[in-house]
Amino acid sequence: NAGVTQTPKFQVLKTGQSMTLQCAQDMNHNSMYWYRQDPGMGLRLIYYSASEGTTDKGEVPNGYNVSRLNKREFSLRLESAAPSQTSVYFCASRLTDGRPDTQYFGPGTRLTVL
Amino acid sequence: LAKTTQPISMDSYEGQEVNITCSHNNIATNDYITWYQQFPSQGPRFIIQGYKTKVTNEVASLFIPADRKSSTLSLPRVSLSDTAVYYCLVGDRMDSSYKLIFGSGTRLLVRP
Repeated sequence: NAGVTQTPKFQVLKTGQSMTLQCAQDMNHNSMYWYRQDPGMGLRLIYYSASEGTTDKGEVPNGYNVSRLNKREFSLRLESAAPSQTSVYFCASRLTDGRPDTQYFGPGTRLTVL
Repeated sequence: LAKTTQPISMDSYEGQEVNITCSHNNIATNDYITWYQQFPSQGPRFIIQGYKTKVTNEVASLFIPADRKSSTLSLPRVSLSDTAVYYCLVGDRMDSSYKLIFGSGTRLLVRP
């Protein structure tokens, strides 16, 4: 089991460029999440997907779009990157079948927008 | 959404017991309380989860009073490697549509 994988690990963009952050999980989890974490701050929820085919906004969705491609994959797209989107992005997945569930996090993508 | 409140930071020394309290006054009946630990440049990782009374695992204990409006994470005999940020979350573990919101967390510094 690889758990939750994210690509790329690092990325530098210029203002206005677009890119897609990829996330995949091999644990057959129902829910997937995208968070951002700015230096010295807590995690903020961008978007989440409760199940395949559904997505919902989190706390800070502006400037982002997501796609739940299938049960395994959940991508985050920046259409026109801005310096304010410089952050570390974490993807997570979660199983919700009533057992003591936890979120499992990927290693993160460190994004710099110049 | 049940909002949580934690101290921003705490200091301790190696070998001491550390107790971090989280307030969640509007916790719902179906909500569980989960604590995560985050080291720099890593994603958070699960520490412990509970619903009421006391839960203990190999890493920590979680104390939850009868009214469930707060919870206390207890780390016995901390070491330097326990320096991290600790987050308290509440949520319905059966509800896949539940937004899991992390607060600012508690930054624990363990000194030699």
